[in-house]
Amino acid sequence: EAGVVQSPRYKIIEKKQPVAFWCNPISGHNTLYWYRQNLGQGPELLIRYENEEAVDDSQLPKDRFSAERLKGVDSTLKIQPAELGDSAVYLCASSLEVRTGAFFGQGTRLTVV
Amino acid sequence: AQSVTQLDSHVSVSEGTPVLLRCNYSSSYSPSLFWYVQHPNKGLQLLLKYTSAATLVKGINGFEAEFKKSETSFHLTKPSAHMSDAAEYFCASSSFKTIFGAGTRLFVKA
Repeated sequence: EAGVVQSPRYKIIEKKQPVAFWCNPISGHNTLYWYRQNLGQGPELLIRYENEEAVDDSQLPKDRFSAERLKGVDSTLKIQPAELGDSAVYLCASSLEVRTGAFFGQGTRLTVV
Repeated sequence: AQSVTQLDSHVSVSEGTPVLLRCNYSSSYSPSLFWYVQHPNKGLQLLLKYTSAATLVKGINGFEAEFKKSETSFHLTKPSAHMSDAAEYFCASSSFKTIFGAGTRLFVKA
């Protein structure tokens, strides 16, 4: 069975440009997460979905970040416009529920120059 | 408030010696607790989880962790380190949301 799939793996963009990340979770996993991981730090939750509903987006910078999970399966995370401080690894994860532990994708390493 | 503290940013052991990675948590509710491992340029992999069943939890690759409510700790151990264990380890707590610690980098010397 395929794990969590993310694309692209790497992205380099100039500041003020838009960027989008895509995630396909494990089949049957209702819960989907987007995390941001800065160098030398643990992942920080940006948003959590239960099916197609965003149930926790308290840490999502809503002025520039947006996310969607249409039909409760795939998800897209967008940044517009990107800033230098957005350089990080963006991780997608999925789980059956919050208390069962999550399966992570390999992440997208974003560099904003 | 919910928080996770990993007490050591770096741990160095010799191959074949025991590993101890320390984690303390704070939560108003009984959390689920997890340990994840992250190898360079790889995603996080779940090592083990505690979800209010047995307090001693066994995971993959010979790792185990013990939940101690009185000490609010969930330390990760392994009897004998292998070179392949060298990686970053993250402790996480889930009640209403999942919070990760800052990570402990494990070095294994030959």
